[in-house]
Amino acid sequence: DTGVSQDPRHKITKRGQNVTFRCDPISEHNRLYWYRQTLGQGPEFLTYFQNEAQLEKSRLLSDRFSAERPKGSFSTLEIQRTEQGDSAMYLCASSLSYLDQETQYFGPGTRLLVL
Amino acid sequence: GENVEQHPSTLSVQEGDSAVIKCTYSDSASNYFPWYKQELGKGPQLIIDIRSNVGEKKDQRIAVTLNKTAKHFSLHITETQPEDSAVYFCAASNRNRDDKIIFGKGTRLHILP
Repeated sequence: DTGVSQDPRHKITKRGQNVTFRCDPISEHNRLYWYRQTLGQGPEFLTYFQNEAQLEKSRLLSDRFSAERPKGSFSTLEIQRTEQGDSAMYLCASSLSYLDQETQYFGPGTRLLVL
Repeated sequence: GENVEQHPSTLSVQEGDSAVIKCTYSDSASNYFPWYKQELGKGPQLIIDIRSNVGEKKDQRIAVTLNKTAKHFSLHITETQPEDSAVYFCAASNRNRDDKIIFGKGTRLHILP
């Protein structure tokens, strides 16, 4: 257990529905990352926050995706109007942005299946 | 942007033998290279990392080497054990920029009894 938690662990939804995932990082970590992992691939970067500011978004993050970290602690990732291509494992990671503290600790992930 | 290539995609070794996984990266500005182990149904777990100012690092049965000139880095696991069976990912990032990690596609390691 790395100290990063994600909820839910599994989500099955029908195409067109909205889903929201939550990530709770290690408490003192100021950076929080979202990645997506499809079967047989490595995780791919989606977006990241430093405190409450969203600093970068990947081109993978379409307009249907939105992420927030309102108080600089937990974060949510929402997917609107889900598509079958959104089926994947969504991983959250956190880190400290100070020198020599760059290790990203990953949560267990939320596995999404869109029917 | 950064691109990380990883080989082989699958590796089977006899228990007790060594395993080597090799990666290359494209962005010479990358300066941090973590290795993650992922077991079924779990998130990636960091097993070892190396910074660009170091050529080699060892932690018990695990070692990583980095050749900045050739943009190559490798993971070596000695005296493999059944619990080493998992998927291993190499990765690269730029600490001076944004820390986002670019992962390789992974190596599925099977330890044979």
